[in-house]
Amino acid sequence: DAGITQSPRYKITETGRQVTLMCHQTWSHSYMFWYRQDLGHGLRLIYYSAAADITDKGEVPDGYVVSRSKTENFPLTLESATRSQTSVYFCASTSGQGGSEAFFGQGTRLTVV
Amino acid sequence: GQNIDQPTEMTATEGAIVQINCTYQTSGFNGLFWYQQHAGEAPTFLSYNVLDGLEEKGRFSSFLSRSKGYSYLLLKELQMKDSASYLCAVGGGSQGNLIFGKGTKLSVKP
Repeated sequence: DAGITQSPRYKITETGRQVTLMCHQTWSHSYMFWYRQDLGHGLRLIYYSAAADITDKGEVPDGYVVSRSKTENFPLTLESATRSQTSVYFCASTSGQGGSEAFFGQGTRLTVV
Repeated sequence: GQNIDQPTEMTATEGAIVQINCTYQTSGFNGLFWYQQHAGEAPTFLSYNVLDGLEEKGRFSSFLSRSKGYSYLLLKELQMKDSASYLCAVGGGSQGNLIFGKGTKLSVKP
């Protein structure tokens, strides 16, 4: 099915563990983004990618790592999870810069205990 | 800096009209987006304005004034299913991403 999918949908992990959130899109969109959504903050950009092998930091990148070896995949890794990283994470993609509509994955609800 | 302001919460009655305002100050501008987000779900696209004026799409309309850094989303003939958060976002951040406001939670009452 065409679209953008995230996995897992829900994850509970312990402080200090490494966790990877997966994102896959079937449109061959150039741009992909990772946002986190927290009460009182709205959606904040963690990392973005303009194309395969091109990534850059967003507003809140500390503690996160991304890679983009293939256009369709954009995994987000928490190297050593902290409680402050408990959040809902959304992956999104667009076909071009700025003026293009962004499509969002279903989200991953991550709890760090 | 980047700043997008919208009211935190609004309440309206089924069948009525509601206007959700958004003001923005951003370093770049490549359009103003409105997204709808139901609780526990992903945001979904509602509208896009890049030129000044009103864009109408069924029960929803969106207005933009670039000189004032102002937009609004107008919802007509409100239905219970319109209860959701409405996110104002500006396109054209330095990374080509969307910069989001914190969202307006709309509750529609019978």
